[in-house]
Amino acid sequence: AQSVAQPEDQVNVAEGNPLTVKCTYSVSGNPYLFWYVQYPNRGLQFLLKYITGDNLVKGSYGFEAEFNKSQTSFHLKKPSALVSDSALYFCAVRAALNSNYQLIWGAGTKLIIKP
Amino acid sequence: DTGVSQDPRHKITKRGQNVTFRCDPISEHNRLYWYRQTLGQGPEFLTYFQNEAQLEKSRLLSDRFSAERPKGSFSTLEIQRTEQGDSAMYLCASSFPGQYTEAFFGQGTRLTVV
Repeated sequence: AQSVAQPEDQVNVAEGNPLTVKCTYSVSGNPYLFWYVQYPNRGLQFLLKYITGDNLVKGSYGFEAEFNKSQTSFHLKKPSALVSDSALYFCAVRAALNSNYQLIWGAGTKLIIKP
Repeated sequence: DTGVSQDPRHKITKRGQNVTFRCDPISEHNRLYWYRQTLGQGPEFLTYFQNEAQLEKSRLLSDRFSAERPKGSFSTLEIQRTEQGDSAMYLCASSFPGQYTEAFFGQGTRLTVV
């Protein structure tokens, strides 16, 4: 079965410290991986994606993610967290389901950055 | 604002009533998606259009649900005979074609069935 797992419901980080939000996936064929962020009462905002090439991809707001094929992971990272980074983060993978490449979503990780 | 627009933002309805939501995608995008999101969960795929053609429907989309995109621009999602279990956030997204492209989401319509 094709799936995405975000093993942590919540991640707490002190402001200024590095942060990591974990994502692992299981798909057939090449994965196309995405991270989105959702602020309260707001829609999902695209952060970054991995399609092919360099395993480290850079995205919006200083975020980056590292694709690791052997560990089937795509963890989201930021070197120095800001209080404004507090939000809900979703990992998603595109897989060939019914030939229409639906996005399969993780359950989300709540990131709390404490001052 | 050239983003994805959804209307209304909030809808409270009595069980058994019909509701209709509208989505206006980014004008250059020919793909349009509807998702449902409940608290603490990621979005669940409902249906997908390429231009005016509805190419796929999830098993979640019972016969009480119908979606249209008559001219390949805006889309509507109708729920007939609403049930309390339909209470959720309904998200619309649009994108360019291609398996590599990211989707852009609207702010959603929050439906509460009482």
